[in-house]
Amino acid sequence: AQTVTQSQPEMSVQEAETVTLSCTYDTSESDYYLFWYKQPPSRQMILVIRQEAYKQQNATENRFSVNFQKAAKSFSLKISDSQLGDAAMYFCAYRRRSQGAQKLVFGQGTRLTINP
Amino acid sequence: DVKVTQSSRYLVKRTGEKVFLECVQDMDHENMFWYRQDPGLGLRLIYFSYDVKMKEKGDIPEGYSVSREKKERFSLILESASTNQTSMYLCASITSNGELFFGEGSRLTVL
Repeated sequence: AQTVTQSQPEMSVQEAETVTLSCTYDTSESDYYLFWYKQPPSRQMILVIRQEAYKQQNATENRFSVNFQKAAKSFSLKISDSQLGDAAMYFCAYRRRSQGAQKLVFGQGTRLTINP
Repeated sequence: DVKVTQSSRYLVKRTGEKVFLECVQDMDHENMFWYRQDPGLGLRLIYFSYDVKMKEKGDIPEGYSVSREKKERFSLILESASTNQTSMYLCASITSNGELFFGEGSRLTVL
């Protein structure tokens, strides 16, 4: 079974600085998707960024980028120029690419605090 | 915008009560999910449904059942609530490219 591990229960960063959240996963599949989701306090979870395993280029969305290391099964999220609105729980998730396999497996989450 | 709506944000129930959590999505998604979120455990899949009247157990189905009579609606049922089912429950539907859209969550307290 696939597993996703986030080893940092909590992280904090000064506003405007850069922070990296870690995620590792375990799978025997070669084709899959990886995601980072953000859950702000008392608000809905939303997708931050997504990576397809067959793509070597790291995904980027504005201030958010990933470092995808397929051989190491590592998928970290870098947030540049941190803003107060980035404070949230962040979840890493994995999904097989196979048709019909729509289930996502989530990590334990990392709570990110932004210090003004 | 995709919308996933959960019927109740906060519920307080007593042990042994039957609890219904309802979820409606407006994007005609075939696949819908119920997750449970607990501190330190992340999101754990309870049940999912890939079509009307079709369901499949997730990782922690014990003590729960589901109903999907219409494509847009996916209900989670606790037949006899217990204190260890106190949790945040998240409903989601999924697009064809794998993006999950979540509801706001239902925080259930069982006394």
